Amino acid sequence: DGGITQSPKYLFRKEGQNVTLSCEQNLNHDAMYWYRQDPGQGLRLIYYSQIVNDFQKGDIAEGYSVSREKKESFPLTVTSAQKNPTAFYLCASSTPRGSRPNEQFFGPGTRLTVL
Amino acid sequence: SQELEQSPQSLIVQEGKNLTINCTSSKTLYGLYWYKQKYGEGLIFLMMLQKGGEEKSHEKITAKLDEKKQQSSLHITASQPSHAGIYLCGAADRGSTLGRLYFGRGTQLTVWP
Repeated sequence: DGGITQSPKYLFRKEGQNVTLSCEQNLNHDAMYWYRQDPGQGLRLIYYSQIVNDFQKGDIAEGYSVSREKKESFPLTVTSAQKNPTAFYLCASSTPRGSRPNEQFFGPGTRLTVL
Repeated sequence: SQELEQSPQSLIVQEGKNLTINCTSSKTLYGLYWYKQKYGEGLIFLMMLQKGGEEKSHEKITAKLDEKKQQSSLHITASQPSHAGIYLCGAADRGSTLGRLYFGRGTQLTVWP
């Protein structure tokens, strides 16, 4: 079955450490997105990529980095520069084609806790 | 950029009651998406609306996009505990990068037996 996977589901990190969250999709979607979700704040866009080897900053990119070396993969690195990284992170992908163009398909999320 | 305001922020209803969640935009909506999320999980797609006046239903959930295309409502008939969760609306902005969606803050729905 096609879908998006994120790993790990739970992640604990010490202050000052970088950590990488994995996102993989087998939907053949060109576009991929990373969101951060905090209680009462909805989804905020961190980075997005419309094509391999290209990505753009979203609304809250500071302290994060991404890469898009393969169509299927869009890993997110939370660096030590991110001041408040504890949050729920969601990855999504979309395509402009099909019966529901630009519908975003979401992964199950990764909960990151900084100790 | 697109700004979406959802109301109410939270809702507690007794099983069997009807309820409505609203999503109001600062701009004309070009593609409005409703998602549901259970706590600690990803978002599940519910419905997509594109045309003014459009209405779609899935089981006991109906979504509408008003004629002026600046507001959408999600109506649940005879609510059940399985309807509990966070409902989020997302919208495409005509001037934004293709595929990017802007999301509201969500409505937390609790249904008690």
